[in-house]
Amino acid sequence: AQSVTQLGSHVSVSEGALVLLRCNYSSSVPPYLFWYVQYPNQGLQLLLKYTTGATLVKGINGFEAEFKKSETSFHLTKPSAHMSDAAEYFCAVSQNTGGFKTIFGAGTRLFVKA
Amino acid sequence: EPEVTQTPSHQVTQMGQEVILRCVPISNHLYFYWYRQILGQKVEFLVSFYNNEISEKSEIFDDQFSVERPDGSNFTLKIRSTKLEDSAMYFCAAGGGGSTNEKLFFGSGTQLSVL
Repeated sequence: AQSVTQLGSHVSVSEGALVLLRCNYSSSVPPYLFWYVQYPNQGLQLLLKYTTGATLVKGINGFEAEFKKSETSFHLTKPSAHMSDAAEYFCAVSQNTGGFKTIFGAGTRLFVKA
Repeated sequence: EPEVTQTPSHQVTQMGQEVILRCVPISNHLYFYWYRQILGQKVEFLVSFYNNEISEKSEIFDDQFSVERPDGSNFTLKIRSTKLEDSAMYFCAAGGGGSTNEKLFFGSGTQLSVL
C-alpha cells in the first residue's frame, strides 16, 4: 500500500525567503511522485513530477523537488518565495499497476508574509 | 495543455436527493477517476474506471455511489441519496494514455453542498 505524509499543515515564510515543504512517502514499488498546487477555489494543478531518471526535478513557478530514495522523501523547495505562491500544496504518490491511482497527502498550506 | 471539464461548478441539493456530477475527460486517456475533498481536508480517492468498468474503489465509494461512461465521452458520478457528509469538492481526473502516461489531469471540480 502507498501513503504520503506531509510534515506541517501550515508553513509561513516571508517574501523572498526559502520555501521548504516536506513530504515522505511509503511505497512497495518504485513510486511516481508529484506535487500539486491548489489556489483558493480552484482545482489541482501539477507543479512537478518524478517518474524515473534525474532525482532533482524542476517544475513550474521556480519550484523544484528532489527524490531521495534512502530517505523516502520528496521535499519541495523554492529559493525565494513570492506572494503569489500562497496556496495549498499536496504531495502525491502513484504507481504503475495498470492505472495511476494517486494517493494524496493531507496538504500543506503555505502563507507568504510581505 | 489538454483539459478535463467538469459541470456544474457548484451544485446545491437537499438531503436525500440524487445528484449527478458530470465530467468530460480527455478522449485518448484510458483511466478515469473521481476524487473528493471535504473542506479543509485531504484529497481522497473515490473510484477509478477503466475499460467501461470500475477498476478500483475506496471504502468511501459505497452503494450510494455509481459511475458510468455511457457514450464514451461523458463520465458521471451519481450519488443516489445525498447525505450532509457528502458535501465536498468533487474532482474528476483522467490519465494513462498519450505521452504523459503517468500524469493525471484534473478538472476544476464541482462543489457539492447538501442542505
